[in-house]
Amino acid sequence: AQTVTQSQPEMSVQEAETVTLSCTYDTSESDYYLFWYKQPPSRQMILVIRQEAYKQQNATENRFSVNFQKAAKSFSLKISDSQLGDAAMYFCAYVNRDDKIIFGKGTRLHILP
Amino acid sequence: NAGVTQTPKFRILKIGQSMTLQCAQDMNHNYMYWYRQDPGMGLKLIYYSVGAGITDKGEVPNGYNVSRSTTEDFPLRLELAAPSQTSVYFCASSDYQGDLNYGYTFGSGTRLTVV
Repeated sequence: AQTVTQSQPEMSVQEAETVTLSCTYDTSESDYYLFWYKQPPSRQMILVIRQEAYKQQNATENRFSVNFQKAAKSFSLKISDSQLGDAAMYFCAYVNRDDKIIFGKGTRLHILP
Repeated sequence: NAGVTQTPKFRILKIGQSMTLQCAQDMNHNYMYWYRQDPGMGLKLIYYSVGAGITDKGEVPNGYNVSRSTTEDFPLRLELAAPSQTSVYFCASSDYQGDLNYGYTFGSGTRLTVV
């Protein structure tokens, strides 16, 4: 069975600094998607970034980028120039081709002014 | 563009009561989902639907039922509410274009407390 592990329950970063959130997953499949979702205090789940497993190039979305290491089954999220609005829970999610989605338990990110 | 709309936002139920959580999307997505999020945890899939008239169980379906009579609506029914169903419930839809999943759009959630 697939699993998603986020080993950092909480992290803090100084405003304007860079922070990396880790995510590892376990699967025997070769074709899948990986997502990072942000959940601010409003509870809304917001898609941050997506990665298709067959693409070697790491996805980027403005200040957000990933380091996708398929062989190591690692999918970390880097946030550059951290802003106060980045404070939230961040969830890593794995989705296979049958559309089965598995979420990690989340990392709470604090931004220090 | 409303996206995914969930109602109600909050609800308190007594043990044994029933209720329906409403979910509607206006993006013409075929895939829709119901998740629950317990404190300090990620989301767990309750039920999902790949299109009108088609539903299937997820990871934690016990105590719930769904229907999908239209593409837009995907209500979740709780029968005989139990304290273990106290949670935050999220409805979502996914944007498949061809064979590619472009991500999930979530509703704003329903906080349900069973007392």
